[in-house]
Amino acid sequence: AQTVTQSQPEMSVQEAETVTLSCTYDTSESDYYLFWYKQPPSRQMILVIRQEAYKQQNATENRFSVNFQKAAKSFSLKISDSQLGDAAMYFCAYRSANYGGSQGNLIFGKGTKLSVKP
Amino acid sequence: DTGVSQDPRHKITKRGQNVTFRCDPISEHNRLYWYRQTLGQGPEFLTYFQNEAQLEKSRLLSDRFSAERPKGSFSTLEIQRTEQGDSAMYLCASSLSQLAGRGNTQYFGPGTRLTVL
Repeated sequence: AQTVTQSQPEMSVQEAETVTLSCTYDTSESDYYLFWYKQPPSRQMILVIRQEAYKQQNATENRFSVNFQKAAKSFSLKISDSQLGDAAMYFCAYRSANYGGSQGNLIFGKGTKLSVKP
Repeated sequence: DTGVSQDPRHKITKRGQNVTFRCDPISEHNRLYWYRQTLGQGPEFLTYFQNEAQLEKSRLLSDRFSAERPKGSFSTLEIQRTEQGDSAMYLCASSLSQLAGRGNTQYFGPGTRLTVL
């Protein structure tokens, strides 16, 4: 079974600085997707960024970028120029790319709570 | 596009009562997922529909839980004889499947927070 581990329960960053959130995963599959979701306090979960395992190029979305190391099964999220609105729980998630199969659920880590100091 | 909606947003019930939650996915999405999130944890998968067919159920989904998606549109999740351990946030997500199983990002609703007294 696949697992996702986020080893940093809490992180803190100064506004305008850069922070990196860690995520490792375990799988025997070669094709899958990885995601970072953001869950602000009392608000719904939104997608930050996604990465296809077959792509070597790291995904970027504005101030958010990932460092995807497939061999090491590592998928970290870098937030540049941190803003107060970035404060939230961040969840790393894994999804199998099971062709023709029924499996489609996400497997989440326990999350990292990010605080942004003004 | 109105996004995924869930109703109610909060539900307080007494142990032993039945509760039902509703999820309305993004209109063109054919896949619908239910997750449960307890305090300090990431969401855990419960069950998944493609159109009206329930294709997968987690071991977390005991026989007190039942989910339906009639006509492949909205979905309901019912919990019978609630227990205090059922207290959690119940999240719904939807996605649009693509040919050969690629792609499809899941978009989440705001969740229903259940408190069982």
